[in-house]
Amino acid sequence: GAGVSQSPRYKVAKRGQDVALRCDPISGHVSLFWYQQALGQGPEFLTYFQNEAQLDKSGLPSDRFFAERPEGSVSTLKIQRTQQEDSAVYLCASSLALGALYEQYFGPGTRLTVT
Amino acid sequence: AQTVTQSQPEMSVQEAETVTLSCTYDTSENNYYLFWYKQPPSRQMILVIRQEAYKQQNATENRFSVNFQKAAKSFSLKISDSQLGDTAMYFCAFMEDSGGGADGLTFGKGTHLIIQP
Repeated sequence: GAGVSQSPRYKVAKRGQDVALRCDPISGHVSLFWYQQALGQGPEFLTYFQNEAQLDKSGLPSDRFFAERPEGSVSTLKIQRTQQEDSAVYLCASSLALGALYEQYFGPGTRLTVT
Repeated sequence: AQTVTQSQPEMSVQEAETVTLSCTYDTSENNYYLFWYKQPPSRQMILVIRQEAYKQQNATENRFSVNFQKAAKSFSLKISDSQLGDTAMYFCAFMEDSGGGADGLTFGKGTHLIIQP
């Protein structure tokens, strides 16, 4: 079946612009995670959802970052007033349920470049 | 907070050789899971192998196996009979077992593995 998809794959934004990154999880997957991967680094956890409920947003780096999953399926990560330090690959992952027993399936990521 | 350390930024071996990637972690938790993920140049992260901390037996998946030393907080990945397709970034990751909850994965910085023909 189809995997996790993300769009756009590449995004260039001028500093100060708002951006919205989309994640389409695997159908039926309850849990959805967002990670930020800076160049040459491992991914860092941002936030996760169980259905439409955002259960943990402790990893969001500032209040300019906002994530939503209103119908418990597609999720959007929004970054307001982008800064150069926001340049990174944003990875989305979904899993059948919460818990480490359930494998997280990752999307291809959105590479954000802030100029 | 948990930390994951991968001390080998890059490794290069010849095809068919065996290679071991190192990973250490720090946690005060007793129940957790450890993972190795592979990220090929196309960037889609793929789970390679998983180890439950409560299991003493080391996990194996075909050519991939781990050496899990809980007391030493060490979790190395061994790749046997390496293939060109194994060339990728490899990330060690940790997740606390919070009884059905999740805090997301904590990743190391990765090891770039290059398999030479």
